[in-house]
Amino acid sequence: DTAVSQTPKYLVTQMGNDKSIKCEQNLGHDTMYWYKQDSKKFLKIMFSYNNKELIINETVPNRFSPKSPDKAHLNLHINSLELGDSAVYFCASSLGTGAYEQYFGPGTRLTVT
Amino acid sequence: DQQVKQNSPSLSVQEGRISILNCDYTNSMFDYFLWYKKYPAEGPTFLISISSIKDKNEDGRFTVFLNKSAKHLSLHIVPSQPGDSAVYFCAASGFSGGSNYKLTFGKGTLLTVNP
Repeated sequence: DTAVSQTPKYLVTQMGNDKSIKCEQNLGHDTMYWYKQDSKKFLKIMFSYNNKELIINETVPNRFSPKSPDKAHLNLHINSLELGDSAVYFCASSLGTGAYEQYFGPGTRLTVT
Repeated sequence: DQQVKQNSPSLSVQEGRISILNCDYTNSMFDYFLWYKKYPAEGPTFLISISSIKDKNEDGRFTVFLNKSAKHLSLHIVPSQPGDSAVYFCAASGFSGGSNYKLTFGKGTLLTVNP
């Protein structure tokens, strides 16, 4: 029983392309997140949604557009991919927006060539 | 501006001994602290947490200590097992850089437990 799942696990694409990463959680959580782990290994929050509403947008280029069709899903669409977008992207979820532990998906390794 | 710092990139211990991983933070608005464990090619897995109103929380072999005055927390693993070998991330949550309540991670410490 996978709690937080992401697809695809690996994504290799060329500069300028548009790609999407999908995330689903079956924990019944209200809040979902996207994180980016860059080459320096820092995990940084990009977006957070609570009950399908965007609540955190951390100065991410507007080429990145999250979409939450329902509480259990949070997808990330990236337009006009650049070399610097290469990273591991993690989806996570939590019960709510306060002091709750977050549960992470397995990550999507995006490589832009 | 690193608000959560793990100054030891790596730590090596013998099986059966204690592992102590350290973390410092700078933001006094943080009120909830967590440790995550991460294996290669997997997502971080929640290990243990502590609220700022406590100074210790224990769960089996894992104990987290919080020293608010020093803005320091540590994770103790006793006894250490080879399966504990992983990257350990310290994380702190609270209002950071504005009105958003969010989780801020340290850079991680690679723990190696030798048989």
